[in-house]
Amino acid sequence: DTAVSQTPKYLVTQMGNDKSIKCEQNLGHDTMYWYKQDSKKFLKIMFSYNNKELIINETVPNRFSPKSPDKAHLNLHINSLELGDSAVYFCASSQGGGVYGYTFGSGTRLTVV
Amino acid sequence: DQQVKQNSPSLSVQEGRISILNCDYTNSMFDYFLWYKKYPAEGPTFLISISSIKDKNEDGRFTVFLNKSAKHLSLHIVPSQPGDSAVYFCAASNYGGATNKLIFGTGTLLAVQP
Repeated sequence: DTAVSQTPKYLVTQMGNDKSIKCEQNLGHDTMYWYKQDSKKFLKIMFSYNNKELIINETVPNRFSPKSPDKAHLNLHINSLELGDSAVYFCASSQGGGVYGYTFGSGTRLTVV
Repeated sequence: DQQVKQNSPSLSVQEGRISILNCDYTNSMFDYFLWYKKYPAEGPTFLISISSIKDKNEDGRFTVFLNKSAKHLSLHIVPSQPGDSAVYFCAASNYGGATNKLIFGTGTLLAVQP
């Protein structure tokens, strides 16, 4: 039973489209995150939610909108997709600040053509 | 502004020998450091961590060393095994800060040759 699951695993779409990536965790963690790994392999945080409340919002275009319907789910919606949005997006969860580390999903590879 | 740096993009070692992966950081507010391991097409998995109040933490074949004055940490794997071949990410955080977030390095690809 996957601890942090993301869907879809692969997503190919055209510029200008709107797409969503879903994430669910069954670990009972209270904090969830979205990270982006770009072509240079930087793993950079985008957003963090604690008990459905946004606590971290890095410098991310407002075309990206996270939504947390409950503390087990954190979805990422992207409007008007651009070529530069192509990357691997990782969802993660932790209990509190994550002193024992984050648990990551397997990633969603987004390709914008 | 890269606060966590892994200057070696790749490392190759023979099976049974020691692997040493290095990481440098610039933010003196970091007080917790972690290593993650990542296989292709999978998410990073937590490997080992160290608090800034310690200079060494050991877990089986994995040992992390922290040198706060040099703002440097390293991961030692002894003995290295072919299954250790993966990308290793160093990460740092300031747990005493207003918001906790992990800052990652760019990773080092370790190849353990049989």
